[in-house]
Amino acid sequence: DAKTTQPNSMESNEEEPVHLPCNHSTISGTDYIHWYRQLPSQGPEYVIHGLTSNVNNRMASLAIAEDRKSSTLILHRATLRDAAVYYCIPPYQLHGGSQGNLIFGKGTKLSVKP
Amino acid sequence: EAGVAQSPRYKIIEKRQSVAFWCNPISGHATLYWYQQILGQGPKLLIQFQNNGVVDDSQLPKDRFSAERLKGVDSTLKIQPAKLEDSAVYLCASSLRRGTGAKIGEAFFGQGTRLTVV
Repeated sequence: DAKTTQPNSMESNEEEPVHLPCNHSTISGTDYIHWYRQLPSQGPEYVIHGLTSNVNNRMASLAIAEDRKSSTLILHRATLRDAAVYYCIPPYQLHGGSQGNLIFGKGTKLSVKP
Repeated sequence: EAGVAQSPRYKIIEKRQSVAFWCNPISGHATLYWYQQILGQGPKLLIQFQNNGVVDDSQLPKDRFSAERLKGVDSTLKIQPAKLEDSAVYLCASSLRRGTGAKIGEAFFGQGTRLTVV
């Protein structure tokens, strides 16, 4: 099964960009990369996903390495509300393969300082 | 749009008692997940349903845990008998369709049920 490696914790200052890395060296050609985050006392929420090219949405950007063995979630201007645990989900195929399960690791705990 | 509803929010029981959790997914969502999240850890998948059929229950401790999704809509997760190590938050999530949809892989989570076994 594909696995991911993330730092246990990171710190950021408010209104500065944050780059959250993830290694997924066992990724295959058709596996999607997903990121979720979990704010304190809440269930996880979807952040972004991508396959090959960089992706942007209103919450964040996802930069995917050319060999697809790593990706970086980018928060362009961190706010105090972005303090959460960020999970890089092991890549999986959408059809066949791992059935599309969301498998969570320990994630990266992001602290944002005012 | 209403989100994933779970009840109760909190439950305290003694070990060896039984407990049940209820989940009502977002209307039209075919896939439903139950996760267990122990304090300080990421959520662990217990079971995944596609409509009313089980897709994956490989991590479900079947000697004490059971889950059903009658009619392919809401779902219940039961623990009988409970152990101290079952103390955790139990999260329910749903997604539109397995592997398809405008936001591929986007699942919506409820707020969870916090279970304390004493």
